[in-house]
Amino acid sequence: DTGVSQDPRHKITKRGQNVTFRCDPISEHNRLYWYRQTLGQGPEFLTYFQNEAQLEKSRLLSDRFSAERPKGSFSTLEIQRTEQGDSAMYLCASSRKSGQGALLTYEQYFGPGTRLTVT
Amino acid sequence: EDQVTQSPEALRLQEGESSSLNCSYTVSGLRGLFWYRQDPGKGPEFLFTLYSAGEEKEKERLKATLTKKESFLHITAPKPEDSATYLCAVQAQYSGSARQLTFGSGTQLTVLP
Repeated sequence: DTGVSQDPRHKITKRGQNVTFRCDPISEHNRLYWYRQTLGQGPEFLTYFQNEAQLEKSRLLSDRFSAERPKGSFSTLEIQRTEQGDSAMYLCASSRKSGQGALLTYEQYFGPGTRLTVT
Repeated sequence: EDQVTQSPEALRLQEGESSSLNCSYTVSGLRGLFWYRQDPGKGPEFLFTLYSAGEEKEKERLKATLTKKESFLHITAPKPEDSATYLCAVQAQYSGSARQLTFGSGTQLTVLP
């Protein structure tokens, strides 16, 4: 299977603990995204990497969140001092170019997600 | 600010009963509109990309169409295995280098046997 993979699939933690999630993108994709999804809502953008550079961060990404992509391959998302409001599905996606010229866009392929529950 | 609204929130169909899901969008220049399927507890699965008004794409029982203000996902003769949440997302022309997606809340489709 050459799709996006995420680990762990589920994480239960107590409030105040730190957690770290890992994402392995599709190998030829140089763009990597993190999204967060709560029940009944669509995914919301958190941050974006092109190769190893973190180029954009959403206002949703508080100071307790940090993401890395050290060698431009896998990425990690760490949440420090977790709060109950952090409970959500954390999704990773990687993308490739689609179309060309004025129709150039980037189709994003998602991993299975990490379900975080903060008690 | 880019906005995506999907309707209905939930839809129950009998097997074989065709219908359409709606996605209305407001975006500062559309670069692409995407449809995804999401099963419970899983990540979204890519279905289609639409680039410009008038474009249509098909895959098995699904057909996606695009106008300047909305997109429709038509489901012809659905089967129970089509039950899922269908998500619509837009990518704005001026979304910066990230080209991040803005999603709607989805339509939860249930197809009864």
